[in-house]
Amino acid sequence: DIQMTQSPPSLSAAVGDRVTITCQASQDISNFLNWYQQKVGKAPKLLISDASDLERGVPSRFSGSASGTHFTLTISSLQPEDIATYYCQQYGDLPFTFGPGTKVDLK
Amino acid sequence: EVQLLESGGALVQPGGSLRLSCAASGFTFSSYAMSWVRQAPGKGLEWVSAMSRRGGTTYYADSVKGRFTISRDNSKNTLYLQLNSLRADDTAIYYCAKQGAEVVVINAYFDSWGQGTLVTVSS
Repeated sequence: DIQMTQSPPSLSAAVGDRVTITCQASQDISNFLNWYQQKVGKAPKLLISDASDLERGVPSRFSGSASGTHFTLTISSLQPEDIATYYCQQYGDLPFTFGPGTKVDLK
Repeated sequence: EVQLLESGGALVQPGGSLRLSCAASGFTFSSYAMSWVRQAPGKGLEWVSAMSRRGGTTYYADSVKGRFTISRDNSKNTLYLQLNSLRADDTAIYYCAKQGAEVVVINAYFDSWGQGTLVTVSS
């Protein structure tokens, strides 16, 4: 199975801060990498597909990028409503696997 | 608006069975692959199973293979997950999720999710 690692496991940032979350795949998955946001008590929400395609309706402060097996989710200016746990998910091969998550809260 | 509504979660004893349902609306259900994803209490997300739009292709996580069965009824716009031989580590919220294409392995992002149904396996 393809293992997905995320860092950091958690972070605290102030409103307006730039936030970067990374995800590393254990093998080549091309750009088959998706990002989700999950708020407490809610279902996950797709933010970005195929490493960098922003889902319709998702604020433009969210962006994704890729370099080999290394992927990045960036929030350019953190807002209070961005407090959540963020997961990456690969579909380069079955079984689909998720990263362990990065919990983002306010400093 | 896409809506997915899961049901069927319950408290069940180890070794027991359950059938989960996911009623879909707001999109052409028969045109999309569908998946089940679960989340144990306080833990991360785990993909469980997927099915192609016509049901001809199914996939399972190793942790559930041989115990769980995914199915769908496109005439009823409903996805199912039969859970047999349940174990304590199957305790989780089970979400159904719409995928981005008719084939499981293409555009395998989960662009719509239900609210989840809780399965608790305990004696």
